[in-house]
Amino acid sequence: DTAVSQTPKYLVTQMGNDKSIKCEQNLGHDTMYWYKQDSKKFLKIMFSYNNKELIINETVPNRFSPKSPDKAHLNLHINSLELGDSAVYFCASSQDRRSEQYFGPGTRLTVT
Amino acid sequence: KNQVEQSPQSLIILEGKNCTLQCNYTVSPFSNLRWYKQDTGRGPVSLTIMTFSENTKSNGRYTATLDADTKQSSLHITASQLSDSASYICVVSAMGGADGLTFGKGTHLIIQP
Repeated sequence: DTAVSQTPKYLVTQMGNDKSIKCEQNLGHDTMYWYKQDSKKFLKIMFSYNNKELIINETVPNRFSPKSPDKAHLNLHINSLELGDSAVYFCASSQDRRSEQYFGPGTRLTVT
Repeated sequence: KNQVEQSPQSLIILEGKNCTLQCNYTVSPFSNLRWYKQDTGRGPVSLTIMTFSENTKSNGRYTATLDADTKQSSLHITASQLSDSASYICVVSAMGGADGLTFGKGTHLIIQP
């Protein structure tokens, strides 16, 4: 019954590694998002994506890339991880960009 | 520059009391305003979403108001419960633009027994 799911829930890795976080939604939504929540709990949008358009927040390093194998999935791939990438990453989905968003449970990434 | 300011930054109240959280924004052109509740260790959950023509919307003990003229919104919580302890985030959506969403930094609410 989970609407938006993410795996893994926790991810601990070393600097320089490449990792991916998976996201799946079973709501039939057209738009998916990735957010980063830092230690101060401030949510910042990283990407929004539907089958027509990828919109990237210009502050996101190009080490981060979303990959969507189909409408129900939007995975986040991160290259050359840095200490500052440590945060909680949330996936979300909505019917369109003006509708309410449904968030996943988050993935806590720790880079050592 | 689009901005959303929330106040207070944190708030502690006793169980059973009411409280009101504030959100001021400078987002333009305005599309809608959303309030989210985020429990510790969980993803945000939508409470209300209001468009320009709506000035109040309720969801159980939560009532949101919107004054599009003064660009202010409030979230009123009635008869608070321990489970209301969470961060409350105000998000304003603009028409057009990149992603069109501007997030506030949230109000951290603690309900004490």
